[in-house]
Amino acid sequence: EAQVTQNPRYLITVTGKKLTVTCSQNMNHEYMSWYRQDPGLGLRQIYYSMNVEVTDKGDVPEGYKVSRKEKRNFPLILESPSPNQTSLYFCASSLSKFTRAGELFFGEGSRLTVL
Amino acid sequence: GQNIDQPTEMTATEGAIVQINCTYQTSGFNGLFWYQQHAGEAPTFLSYNVLDGLEEKGRFSSFLSRSKGYSYLLLKELQMKDSASYLCAVLNDYKLSFGAGTTVTVRA
Repeated sequence: EAQVTQNPRYLITVTGKKLTVTCSQNMNHEYMSWYRQDPGLGLRQIYYSMNVEVTDKGDVPEGYKVSRKEKRNFPLILESPSPNQTSLYFCASSLSKFTRAGELFFGEGSRLTVL
Repeated sequence: GQNIDQPTEMTATEGAIVQINCTYQTSGFNGLFWYQQHAGEAPTFLSYNVLDGLEEKGRFSSFLSRSKGYSYLLLKELQMKDSASYLCAVLNDYKLSFGAGTTVTVRA
């Protein structure tokens, strides 16, 4: 089954404790992206990757890091989480060919709470 | 920067038609996309427009006017399962930016 898998789905942590949210897709997609979703603000792009070893900032990259060492994986790293990073996070992937980059397949989401 | 506006909420009756408008002002444009998101779930892709005009996909249609920076999603023959949030998104190079979403409530 074609899917994007995120882990963990739910996490409560404390300020400053480094954490990683993993994302893996089995569709051989070149393009992967991370979004956060907050009430009233919608989905905001954090980082995206057009292919292995190619990443770029989205609209809200501060406080986050990513890496793309393999095509299928695109982890999101919070080096020193703060309460304003409490949010629902979605990983997504798509073919990168021109407009196909906009046809995203989303993971189920990871709800993160930073105390 | 990107500015994508859509109404916050809409309510309609089962069997009716609802039109969700989206206006955008973006520094570049490579396509406009619509997504559906049920409460507590991930967004799912519905449709996209690259050129001006109407794209029809079953009960859902989407329209684009690039010169006006305007799109709409038309939902026909509304069903209870169509109660969801509908997200308008604009692709600029490889960045896909979303509006805040329109929550549609379908009443019996």
